[in-house]
Amino acid sequence: SQQGEEDPQALSIQEGENATMNCSYKTSINNLQWYRQNSGRGLVHLILIRSNEREKHSGRLRVTLDTSKKSSSLLITASRAADTASYFCATLQTGANNLFFGTGTRLTVIP
Amino acid sequence: NAGVMQNPRHLVRRRGQEARLRCSPMKGHSHVYWYRQLPEEGLKFMVYLQKENIIDESGMPKERFSAEFPKEGPSILRIQQVVRGDSAAYFCASSPFGDEQYFGPGTRLTVT
Repeated sequence: SQQGEEDPQALSIQEGENATMNCSYKTSINNLQWYRQNSGRGLVHLILIRSNEREKHSGRLRVTLDTSKKSSSLLITASRAADTASYFCATLQTGANNLFFGTGTRLTVIP
Repeated sequence: NAGVMQNPRHLVRRRGQEARLRCSPMKGHSHVYWYRQLPEEGLKFMVYLQKENIIDESGMPKERFSAEFPKEGPSILRIQQVVRGDSAAYFCASSPFGDEQYFGPGTRLTVT
């Protein structure tokens, strides 16, 4: 069964503000990955965090992972209009071959 | 190093026809995954292949759908006798070690 659930479903912020998206999952994982998808386009891999890591940074992105709470967050700092997209978390469950995707958060950054 | 390539990008088929979707993984990647995305939903896993072998097809419908990844050439997802419910975006991803996955641009299938 699919296990990633993003929160909120949709988020609208002003350019320059920070955006925080959360992801919860149900089972043991090897890693958790965040992807961005622009409307009608493919997925862009943003960042991967392994189960033994707690925080990772990449440019304006900051990802945290709390395996005790089975949750992750994606923070985009100093947002730009070009960040407008849907953001998905995907988990690689322990022993599984494929990624389980959540339903996504639709982020709108207003110029 | 070119990314994952998929073709066609858009495909329109009438009900009952066959759809063939192609995926060329990144150079050096031997793991290929197919996912399907319905409108306003996340991606759902269909099948996982390594060269010439299907490793996991637990997400693929038992009928009408098949996948292959031959020794030479791209991976093919084949849908026979398409129905309107097959309309979706189909994404292929490749991985060097079965860990981090890189996605192609997708094929948008419309069944009329």
